[in-house]
Amino acid sequence: GAVVSQHPSRVICKSGTSVKIECRSLDFQATTMFWYRQFPKQSLMLMATSNEGSKATYEQGVEKDKFLINHASLTLSTLTVTSAHPEDSSFYICSARDRAGGGYEQYFGPGTRLTVT
Amino acid sequence: SQQGEEDPQALSIQEGENATMNCSYKTSINNLQWYRQNSGRGLVHLILIRSNEREKHSGRLRVTLDTSKKSSSLLITASRAADTASYFCATGGGGFKTIFGAGTRLFVKA
Repeated sequence: GAVVSQHPSRVICKSGTSVKIECRSLDFQATTMFWYRQFPKQSLMLMATSNEGSKATYEQGVEKDKFLINHASLTLSTLTVTSAHPEDSSFYICSARDRAGGGYEQYFGPGTRLTVT
Repeated sequence: SQQGEEDPQALSIQEGENATMNCSYKTSINNLQWYRQNSGRGLVHLILIRSNEREKHSGRLRVTLDTSKKSSSLLITASRAADTASYFCATGGGGFKTIFGAGTRLFVKA
């Protein structure tokens, strides 16, 4: 099946610094990628939808200036958490929709655990 | 905002028993998907059922969809300890966004 990778898998950073998380579709082209955040023992909350070559669409309540999303190519989207604070500590998961076929199925990355100290 | 509500929130069964999880949603959908997540790990796609389908099988999994009641169920037959995980339903609709339900934590005792 299609593979989506995320890098890094874990990151610890100090409060006030910025962290970039990469999401790559390895064997398919993804016109659309999604970014989710998951707090412990909770569900995945959609943060934003990212389309290649255009601005991301953010969900209500998600600060676009804090969570910068760039979808520069059909295989790469990045999420940058700017001026991170401890409350940003979470599990961030990306997913990608295959350009080919019906396009309904999403393929999820393994997630990135961010800890802000 | 979250679309789906799942019940039960947690389920504990013995190995060999069947596990049934339910999901309800609020708006019209194109499809509904079920995912599995082991603790602290990424998601594994289990099965997708389209809005014009009523039932789908995949191995020990059986999914039903009732669009009139805006609900779906996931049945895992002959459960195994390795099935212990969180299970989420997710709905796909207009704009192709996939919205997740709250999830059911399944614990299968050996």
